[in-house]
Amino acid sequence: SQQGEEDPQALSIQEGENATMNCSYKTSINNLQWYRQNSGRGLVHLILIRSNEREKHSGRLRVTLDTSKKSSSLLITASRAADTASYFCATGTSGGSYIPTFGRGTSLIVHP
Amino acid sequence: GAVVSQHPSRVICKSGTSVKIECRSLDFQATTMFWYRQFPKQSLMLMATSNEGSKATYEQGVEKDKFLINHASLTLSTLTVTSAHPEDSSFYICSARVLTGSALFLNGYTFGSGTRLTVV
Repeated sequence: SQQGEEDPQALSIQEGENATMNCSYKTSINNLQWYRQNSGRGLVHLILIRSNEREKHSGRLRVTLDTSKKSSSLLITASRAADTASYFCATGTSGGSYIPTFGRGTSLIVHP
Repeated sequence: GAVVSQHPSRVICKSGTSVKIECRSLDFQATTMFWYRQFPKQSLMLMATSNEGSKATYEQGVEKDKFLINHASLTLSTLTVTSAHPEDSSFYICSARVLTGSALFLNGYTFGSGTRLTVV
């Protein structure tokens, strides 16, 4: 079963705008990770947020985690055309012995 | 650090032939690797978990005789698609869990760049 479900499925914005995508999950987690996938390529790890963290930043990326709502959001600020990709979330359960399961991802298109 | 090298990136084969895909961890030891399959605009579906020195664990619905997985060393796992058919055409991606190294990858995973398989 898919643990992480991303929303929206597709997002189209202009360069310079912010992009926000969400992830919902079902069970208790130890951490949550966001990945980027360029068309026809493998996944690139973007950021990991632990269950005891509420917000984390990495460059233009801002991730929030609400364990009470079992949801996370990824914000990309000042988007660039190069940010065009699919974005996936994956969750880790307690003990770290988990296998990433993915939703369909959010397809982001940033128009120059 | 924590790079997984996957080869080939693209392969075209004839129906009935076998294709081997390799994944190597370049700067860490990967005791466990995962193999995923992805159809266009779909999610990554886990096919199997590959453990070094032991038999792979396959997900329900994945034919173990068709998708042979070998994890003979701590740095190499291979997926062989046997007697390939056009419906096996897909994007295959491997992943390894990184237990040590930079905090960025602690309890994280690193992915190969994927293999686009086309069976004609």
